[in-house]
Amino acid sequence: EAQVTQNPRYLITVTGKKLTVTCSQNMNHEYMSWYRQDPGLGLRQIYYSMNVEVTDKGDVPEGYKVSRKEKRNFPLILESPSPNQTSLYFCASSPWREVYNEQFFGPGTRLTVL
Amino acid sequence: QKEVEQNSGPLSVPEGAIASLNCTYSDRGSQSFFWYRQYSGKSPELIMFIYSNGDKEDGRFTAQLNKASQYVSLLIRDSQPSDSATYLCAREGGATNKLIFGTGTLLAVQP
Repeated sequence: EAQVTQNPRYLITVTGKKLTVTCSQNMNHEYMSWYRQDPGLGLRQIYYSMNVEVTDKGDVPEGYKVSRKEKRNFPLILESPSPNQTSLYFCASSPWREVYNEQFFGPGTRLTVL
Repeated sequence: QKEVEQNSGPLSVPEGAIASLNCTYSDRGSQSFFWYRQYSGKSPELIMFIYSNGDKEDGRFTAQLNKASQYVSLLIRDSQPSDSATYLCAREGGATNKLIFGTGTLLAVQP
C-alpha cells in the first residue's frame, strides 16, 4: 500500500529533551516536507527537501532540523523542544512534476512539550 | 492580507443539498490549487486539484477556478453527513513546491 508513515503518533515530552519524529514514504517520491498545524493558523511548512541531501527552510524553521540521507526517509529533529512547539505535525511527500504536485500526507504526530 | 483566505464557518447544509466552499488568494502568479478534506484529528486528504480556468468535475465534487478574480471554489452535490469535515484550500507556492494553505472551512451536513 502506497503510504507515508510517521512515528511516534503521540508524544509528550519536557522542555529541552531532544526528540526525533520519523517520516517514511514508499512511493519513491522526490519531494518531502514537514508541516505543523495550529488552531487559527492552519498548516505551515517547516522544512522541505527536493531530493536526497537537498533540504531548505520553509516558513517556520526555527527550532527544527531535518536530514535527507535516503530518498524514503525525512526525519524531523527538535534539538531542544519548547512549549511553543506543541502542535500537530504532518509529513508529506509528492512526485516532482512541472505542474500540480499533489502532496500525500502522513497520519500526523501530536506533540506536547511541557 | 493572508495569502489564501477561507471563511472558517461552520457552514451548515441539510443532507442532499449543495455545499459551496469558497477560497480567495492574493498571488496572481499562482498556478495550481488544491482542495483537501480533513476530518477532526486526521491528516488532510486530497479531493481535487485544478490549474486551468473553469470547472473540473469528479463525482459529486466540482472545483471552479477564476484566475482573473483570484477565486477558487468547491461544490459538493448531494451532501452527505460523511462529508462533514474541514475543507482546506491550498495553492502551490512557486518553485519550491510548497503548499500554502488557508485555515479551512468547517462543513456540517445535517441529517
